[in-house]
Amino acid sequence: LAKTTQPISMDSYEGQEVNITCSHNNIATNDYITWYQQFPSQGPRFIIQGYKTKVTNEVASLFIPADRKSSTLSLPRVSLSDTAVYYCLVGEGGGADGLTFGKGTHLIIQP
Amino acid sequence: NAGVTQTPKFQVLKTGQSMTLQCAQDMNHEYMSWYRQDPGMGLRLIHYSVGAGITDQGEVPNGYNVSRSTTEDFPLRLLSAAPSQTSVYFCASSTRDRAEKLFFGSGTQLSVL
Repeated sequence: LAKTTQPISMDSYEGQEVNITCSHNNIATNDYITWYQQFPSQGPRFIIQGYKTKVTNEVASLFIPADRKSSTLSLPRVSLSDTAVYYCLVGEGGGADGLTFGKGTHLIIQP
Repeated sequence: NAGVTQTPKFQVLKTGQSMTLQCAQDMNHEYMSWYRQDPGMGLRLIHYSVGAGITDQGEVPNGYNVSRSTTEDFPLRLLSAAPSQTSVYFCASSTRDRAEKLFFGSGTQLSVL
């Protein structure tokens, strides 16, 4: 399984765009890249998933370069409620192996 | 739609006691898994299952047992609780063909004294 590396924490301010990068140097051909958001006392929640290039939904954008060895989660115009831990998960659809998470990035949004 | 349901939400055990954390999902998901979350450690995989009758170990399986007799249920058993098992436990499920899109329960806060 591809291991992931993310910054432990990040700070930003309301209204700013926040980019969180995840490194996954040994990503496999069949692996998808999935990001989760977790608030205190809650289970993680799916945000966005991609395989290559760019994916956008109502919450975020996901940028994946051609070599797929990293990915960047982009949160537009963050608010205080975006303060959470964000996890990058790399794994193969099919669940042949257990899906392991990294330690996540604690994003703190200030007024 | 209940999704993934975990019970109990909170539990206090004494060292050496046994208990079972329950997890049930109503989405007909083949893939189910258990994670524990400790401060600064992120989510660590304990056990997982790709279908009824099939289970496998994750990163930190010692001290835990699982079974998967039905598609819906995936209980986690602590045979002899230890203080090191104090943690928040999350159950998750997903479809087999998109296993990385996990749906999580709300967690069980376990304290072992």
